[in-house]
Amino acid sequence: AQRVTQPEKLLSVFKGAPVELKCNYSYSGSPELFWYVQYSRQRLQLLLRHISRESIKGFTADLNKGETSFHLKKPFAQEEDSAMYYCALRDGGATNKLIFGTGTLLAVQP
Amino acid sequence: GAVVSQHPSWVICKSGTSVKIECRSLDFQATTMFWYRQFPKQSLMLMATSNEGSKATYEQGVEKDKFLINHASLTLSTLTVTSAHPEDSSFYICSAKTGPVSGANVLTFGAGSRLTVL
Repeated sequence: AQRVTQPEKLLSVFKGAPVELKCNYSYSGSPELFWYVQYSRQRLQLLLRHISRESIKGFTADLNKGETSFHLKKPFAQEEDSAMYYCALRDGGATNKLIFGTGTLLAVQP
Repeated sequence: GAVVSQHPSWVICKSGTSVKIECRSLDFQATTMFWYRQFPKQSLMLMATSNEGSKATYEQGVEKDKFLINHASLTLSTLTVTSAHPEDSSFYICSAKTGPVSGANVLTFGAGSRLTVL
């Protein structure tokens, strides 16, 4: 069954420290993965997707099919990065629905 | 960019009444919309997928007679919680995608609607 796992509920780091938010997935086909972010009192929004191979706000994520992972990384955390981060997998079936992980709250301390 | 408007942002109702939540795509046509439910400190759980002009597809365990979804136009989908009970209290979030099914899969989310059933 399709599944997205984010093992950490909370990740607390100091400003300037590297950040890695873990995401593992279970999917039988060719996966399409996304990272969504929700800042305090704001709606959920797309951060990046693996097919674009882009860097947004200094964040990158590489799809590792061997380890079935899509970890989100940033070399130097900023306080404004504090938010809830959700990893999501697109189900390639008829509905193209997104399956979300449980989310990781990133808290960047000054 | 694409904007999805969700209304109301919060609603309190008595047990046994019905509540309608609207989801509108403001500057684009949404061929498919998704309705999610989020419990406190938990992830988003997909309830159903609605396609314009056809019946919604409900996820396993979601009562379609309880959560009525209508997607009558390319810019509006509604979720009606019928005969609401306290256990239906939750945060309901809609999202929309544009393009063909096999096209862009980026979702734009509404701000959510918090339902409290007394």
